[in-house]
Amino acid sequence: KAGVTQTPRYLIKTRGQQVTLSCSPISGHRSVSWYQQTPGQGLQFLFEYFSETQRNKGNFPGRFSGRQFSNSRSEMNVSTLELGDSALYLCASSLAGGIFYGYTFGSGTRLTVV
Amino acid sequence: DAKTTQPNSMESNEEEPVHLPCNHSTISGTDYIHWYRQLPSQGPEYVIHGLTSNVNNRMASLAIAEDRKSSTLILHRATLRDAAVYYCILPNNNDMRFGAGTRLTVKP
Repeated sequence: KAGVTQTPRYLIKTRGQQVTLSCSPISGHRSVSWYQQTPGQGLQFLFEYFSETQRNKGNFPGRFSGRQFSNSRSEMNVSTLELGDSALYLCASSLAGGIFYGYTFGSGTRLTVV
Repeated sequence: DAKTTQPNSMESNEEEPVHLPCNHSTISGTDYIHWYRQLPSQGPEYVIHGLTSNVNNRMASLAIAEDRKSSTLILHRATLRDAAVYYCILPNNNDMRFGAGTRLTVKP
């Protein structure tokens, strides 16, 4: 079966712009989480959505937001981009929650802010 | 919040078993123990998870100490494709709290 699909794979944006990243989970998975990975901070949790509702949130500023659609597809948006937002953004999906079922990760979107 | 401690790096020879340790002395009775790995240029990959009993799957085995203060991920026969960073995680509200992990090097 198809895995977690993230688009686009690579993105270059200018400081101050906004960006939207997309994630299509595995069919039947209703939980979608987002992570940011940087060399300095490692993998950090952004937020988790389940049935179109944000269920958990990490410690990121309000510039980072997300949403989930009725088909479980998810998007995350970063507004007013800063150089420090350059990172690999990873999406992960699970049947109902990572604690009980584990997560399947996508290959990520590499965002570069210049 | 319970935390995990892992060695920064480990080495193994190809086709030999590998035991990756993890300490989690402040684990609570309801904390699951998860292991993920991340190969170069890829997203993390789920390996195995458990609560109290030892667990086996096609990828690995998870041995959990009786007091649950430590666990060991066992790769039965390491291959070059097992070279990765291995993360031992105690999730919190579906937040897979990745630490620095253990970088496993497999020598031919």
